[in-house]
Amino acid sequence: GENVEQHPSTLSVQEGDSAVIKCTYSDSASNYFPWYKQELGKRPQLIIDIRSNVGEKKDQRIAVTLNKTAKHFSLHITETQPEDSAVYFCAASMNTGFQKLVFGTGTRLLVSP
Amino acid sequence: GAGVSQSPSNKVTEKGKDVELRCDPISGHTALYWYRQRLGQGLEFLIYFQGNSAPDKSGLPSDRFSAERTGESVSTLTIQRTQQEDSAVYLCASSLARLAAETQYFGPGTRLLVL
Repeated sequence: GENVEQHPSTLSVQEGDSAVIKCTYSDSASNYFPWYKQELGKRPQLIIDIRSNVGEKKDQRIAVTLNKTAKHFSLHITETQPEDSAVYFCAASMNTGFQKLVFGTGTRLLVSP
Repeated sequence: GAGVSQSPSNKVTEKGKDVELRCDPISGHTALYWYRQRLGQGLEFLIYFQGNSAPDKSGLPSDRFSAERTGESVSTLTIQRTQQEDSAVYLCASSLARLAAETQYFGPGTRLLVL
């Protein structure tokens, strides 16, 4: 089955810096890769996703890149703000209607003012 | 519109008791998923429903765990004879589940504590 690894487990940056979180997956059949943000005590919320027919997707300060050959994908946050502080989870699944998401272990991002 | 809701928000129970956790998905969402999140850890897939059927139960940790869904709407996750290691946040998610992968929208979770 699919296995997703995520690094780093914690990341501390200064406000305005960029943050990069990396994930690798094992199943070459996986082709849907969402990223979720979870604030303390809150539910996970989708921030961006990418399908394997594209290599990069950007939404304002957030971007995701995908390398299918190497089986890894990354989340990039530019101009970080304190409100970006949260736990970020990557996930992978087959791109079908009913997808079983396999999650990484999470990255705790702390943005200091 | 209303998002995914779950009840209760918190549940404290004694070891050996049974608990029922409820999930109300977004109206019209065919797919419903249950995940478990232990403290400080990632989300662990438990089971998903396609309509009222559960094609994939592979994530259920033991036969003490079961789930059902009726009317392609509400789902209940039941844990029998609870153990302390069952303590976690149980999250439900739903999605439209059309041909391509759709966003899974999560509920607020039920925080279960087994004493």
